[in-house]
Amino acid sequence: QQPVQSPQAVILREGEDAVINCSSSKALYSVHWYRQKHGEAPVFLMILLKGGEQKGHEKISASFNEKKQQSSLYLTASQLSYSGTYFCGTESNQGAQKLVFGQGTRLTINP
Amino acid sequence: NAGVMQNPRHLVRRRGQEARLRCSPMKGHSHVYWYRQLPEEGLKFMVYLQKENIIDESGMPKERFSAEFPKEGPSILRIQQVVRGDSAAYFCASSPPGTGRFNVYGYTFGSGTRLTVV
Repeated sequence: QQPVQSPQAVILREGEDAVINCSSSKALYSVHWYRQKHGEAPVFLMILLKGGEQKGHEKISASFNEKKQQSSLYLTASQLSYSGTYFCGTESNQGAQKLVFGQGTRLTINP
Repeated sequence: NAGVMQNPRHLVRRRGQEARLRCSPMKGHSHVYWYRQLPEEGLKFMVYLQKENIIDESGMPKERFSAEFPKEGPSILRIQQVVRGDSAAYFCASSPPGTGRFNVYGYTFGSGTRLTVV
């Protein structure tokens, strides 16, 4: 089942903050976050495995709620290099170990 | 340490021809995943393979599409009798062995093959 991401698109000025959400109707085993720049391959940012987990990567961090059905990606003091499309990939508790990706959130950072 | 290698980067086929897309996973990785991406859309899961085994092909169209990951050599995604609707970017990703569900490193993606059917 495909996770739902929101918002679909965000436009920020450099230095502003953004939050991207990823929701599933069922409890998940894990959530991955990736960033893809136009014409390039998606790049792994981080993975969350535990309910209530929070993880940081420079000024990009993420959380996984206690029920393991929702994850949020936080971008603080955004930089021009943060522009791109962000995807969450979710792994179910059942079945084969594959990621199903959300539809993506396009982030545009303007100077 | 080379990453995931996909070739060709761009492939043009006429309707009815066959397309063969190749993916060499990162050194030491034995799990391979194929995804399809239409312009301005997300990544759609197609198939998950390990060496000589198809683990999950629930995202593969029933006809014309096949995938393999032989003991030696790259993984191949094969599309027979291509149609215009097959035009898309096809990404391959790999992950380390023995981790699967316990993968804490994420997937490493290749640069993709852009297939255009004319």
